[in-house]
Amino acid sequence: QVQLVQSGAEVEKPGASVKVSCKASGYTFTSSVINWVRQAPGQGLEWMGWIGGYKGDTNYAQKFQGRVTMTTDTSTSTAYLELTSLRSDDTAVYYCVRGAVYSGRINRFDYWGQGTQVTVSS
Amino acid sequence: DIQLTQSPSFLSASVGDRVTITCRASQGISSYLAWYQQKPGKAPKVLIYAASTLQTGVPSRFSGSGSGTEFTLTISSLQPEDFATYYCQQLNSYPLTFGGGTKVEIK
Repeated sequence: QVQLVQSGAEVEKPGASVKVSCKASGYTFTSSVINWVRQAPGQGLEWMGWIGGYKGDTNYAQKFQGRVTMTTDTSTSTAYLELTSLRSDDTAVYYCVRGAVYSGRINRFDYWGQGTQVTVSS
Repeated sequence: DIQLTQSPSFLSASVGDRVTITCRASQGISSYLAWYQQKPGKAPKVLIYAASTLQTGVPSRFSGSGSGTEFTLTISSLQPEDFATYYCQQLNSYPLTFGGGTKVEIK
């Protein structure tokens, strides 16, 4: 069965960087894309971008351009999210999510990781 | 960016009730809309995609309709396990965006 297993909780100081991992199993990693979505405490869902499992091509939300880097390691079927220059409002649960692709476009987010709590505090 | 407005943001209902949630897009998105259910402390789960296609394994009491700018999610007979927060998402154009959520609570 498809599983996305994320790394553990992180606590960082303002200005620091954080890197979250997401290990995929149960499907062909290179045949799909991994999205990153975050959810601040008591708030809704916010899409950050995606990375292609095959070519490593990326599509970042403009809001995060310059601060976010998404990468993959196809040898271990693992995706990574790095966010730099952390601020207190980056405190959130970060999810990796598989994007189901149909006719060349994502039509739903079908499998979600368990989430990684990132806390930014001095 | 395409804004998605869900209504209501909160609703109180009883087991067995028919429940309808609306999602309005700030511009046309064809049928590129999905609905998710999220329970406290858990990741969201997809219910409906392409506006009206039921995700495999999701009970048939859930249904979706609409196209263009107005969409609905209907739960035909609310069950105890359906009390949760529901989000719509547009996948027509980037950045992908979500509605603000509708929390369904027990009356």
